[in-house]
Amino acid sequence: EDKVVQSPLSLVVHEGDTVTLNCSYEVTNFRSLLWYKQEKKAPTFLFMLTSSGIEKKSGRLSSILDKKELSSILNITATQTGDSAIYLCAVEALGGNMLTFGGGTRLMVKP
Amino acid sequence: GAGVSQSPSNKVTEKGKDVELRCDPISGHTALYWYRQSLGQGLEFLIYFQGNSAPDKSGLPSDRFSAERTGGSVSTLTIQRTQQEDSAVYLCASSPRTPPTQYFGPGTRLLVL
Repeated sequence: EDKVVQSPLSLVVHEGDTVTLNCSYEVTNFRSLLWYKQEKKAPTFLFMLTSSGIEKKSGRLSSILDKKELSSILNITATQTGDSAIYLCAVEALGGNMLTFGGGTRLMVKP
Repeated sequence: GAGVSQSPSNKVTEKGKDVELRCDPISGHTALYWYRQSLGQGLEFLIYFQGNSAPDKSGLPSDRFSAERTGGSVSTLTIQRTQQEDSAVYLCASSPRTPPTQYFGPGTRLLVL
């Protein structure tokens, strides 16, 4: 059974801090790993990672995949209160029909 | 363009009643997914539709849950004889054939009293 574990479960930081969120996975025939940001109900897509060691970057957010360690990290630099959300990691298997999600990391950024 | 839409946004029902949740995917997306998110939990896969293929129902928690997708577009998730543990946010997502990125709707918050 495919499994995704995220850590930490929750995190409280102050504006301007840098945070690193972790995602580890066990999946048969890995295809891709995706990061989502969930503020209210619907998750919004951040990154899709398929190749190891290639950093994806969007503004203050960046992410990288390590296939050898079966993990990924999501970095947020110079955090802002608007970054407060639940960050979800999901993996997709080759030939699979759905994403397997981790439990999420709840990030709170205080002013 | 329009994103994935779901209705109703909120639904309160009594235990034992049936409910129907609707999802309108992004036009042209061939894949449609239903997920459930209970309070404090991650997303739980329920069912997947791809084109005209038979749906993958492997995530449905019991036979009280069913879903259909008419004309390859709109989908309805039906929960019969609702139980309190069915209370959750039900999320629908659609995806083009490539890339496989899923686009989520706003969800339906279901409360079973």
